[in-house]
Amino acid sequence: GENVEQHPSTLSVQEGDSAVIKCTYSDSASNYFPWYKQELGKGPQLIIDIRSNVGEKKDQRIAVTLNKTAKHFSLHITETQPEDSAVYFCAASFTNLFFGTGTRLTVIP
Amino acid sequence: EAQVTQNPRYLITVTGKKLTVTCSQNMNHEYMSWYRQDPGLGLRQIYYSMNVEVTDKGDVPEGYKVSRKEKRNFPLILESPSPNQTSLYFCASSLSVRANTEAFFGQGTRLTVV
Repeated sequence: GENVEQHPSTLSVQEGDSAVIKCTYSDSASNYFPWYKQELGKGPQLIIDIRSNVGEKKDQRIAVTLNKTAKHFSLHITETQPEDSAVYFCAASFTNLFFGTGTRLTVIP
Repeated sequence: EAQVTQNPRYLITVTGKKLTVTCSQNMNHEYMSWYRQDPGLGLRQIYYSMNVEVTDKGDVPEGYKVSRKEKRNFPLILESPSPNQTSLYFCASSLSVRANTEAFFGQGTRLTVV
């Protein structure tokens, strides 16, 4: 099956700085790469996703890049705000959804 | 409101006492799945279902059962719970049977087995 690795496990940034979370996957057949944000006491929620026919996607302060050759994808958050503090999960899918181990992001005011 | 509903939210039980965690979605989604979340291990899939009466094992199926008799419901059954099943459980659903559309998660069930 698919194996998704995610780094770093924890990340602290100053408010206004950028944050980058990186993931790698093993199954070259995977073609859908979503990112989820989990706030305390809640279930994960989709924040952005990218498909294998696209190299980059942006939505306001968040962007995702995908390198299919190297089998890695990254989440970029610019101008971080305290409300961005949460656990972030990357995932990869072909017929089933596999998650990374998560990154706890703390934005320091 | 489109949602995935899990019950109960919190459960403390004793070893060996059968329990069921319910999951229901109101979005007519084909795909449903159960995950457990443990510190440092992320979300690991227990079982998934691509349609009514079709279920398959995920990465950590031992000690769990599921059923999909109706499209909207996907209960998780622990026939004889053990302490190593203490965890935070999430049910999720997705429109596509290939799990390549947005997954919607329930609020989670925190299970403690003593």
